[in-house]
Amino acid sequence: GQQLNQSPQSMFIQEGEDVSMNCTSSSIFNTWLWYKQDPGEGPVLLIALYKAGELTSNGRLTAQFGITRKDSFLNISASIPSDVGIYFCAAHYGGSQGNLIFGKGTKLSVKP
Amino acid sequence: GAGVSQSPRYKVAKRGQDVALRCDPISGHVSLFWYQQALGQGPEFLTYFQNEAQLDKSGLPSDRFFAERPEGSVSTLKIQRTQQEDSAVYLCASSLVHGNSPLHFGNGTRLTVT
Repeated sequence: GQQLNQSPQSMFIQEGEDVSMNCTSSSIFNTWLWYKQDPGEGPVLLIALYKAGELTSNGRLTAQFGITRKDSFLNISASIPSDVGIYFCAAHYGGSQGNLIFGKGTKLSVKP
Repeated sequence: GAGVSQSPRYKVAKRGQDVALRCDPISGHVSLFWYQQALGQGPEFLTYFQNEAQLDKSGLPSDRFFAERPEGSVSTLKIQRTQQEDSAVYLCASSLVHGNSPLHFGNGTRLTVT
């Protein structure tokens, strides 16, 4: 079936460093999204991408919808301790907005 | 309230018991979704409602799982004869309309089946 391959699985970085993570698939999707999940909470939407090639920023976060529609990346610049958490890519398949497939997540740890 | 509310936050059930998990979506949100998140994994789609109509239940893992949203607002996910493999966090999400409006997730119910 369809699946999203998210990498890296985990990252340990120093505060102030930039971070990059990505998601690839063998399937084509119409929408890519990036979520962050803190322990004990639900995922929170960070960035939504609706068009192939689209590059979108949200503060220190930048994400791109790959031109082939099979991949996406998320960059975080100048990381801070509150960036700690698990980042998930997600993509839409089928007609229902809710039929999101999620990657397995990238766990980010930031050393002050 | 301001966000999606789920109850209970934690549920421990003995194998074979039935459980019911509740979701209060954001007021006015038409679409409601249930996801299952196993430990260390991303959420996996279970089912989707538009108002009171269950439009997609393709993700429900077995006929022990049943969801309803009788008045198009609050939803209940029921699991009958729970098994250990049902242990997971069950997330509810809602969105304003069908289409490209973003999903807002609740904090989930952590179900542990012993």
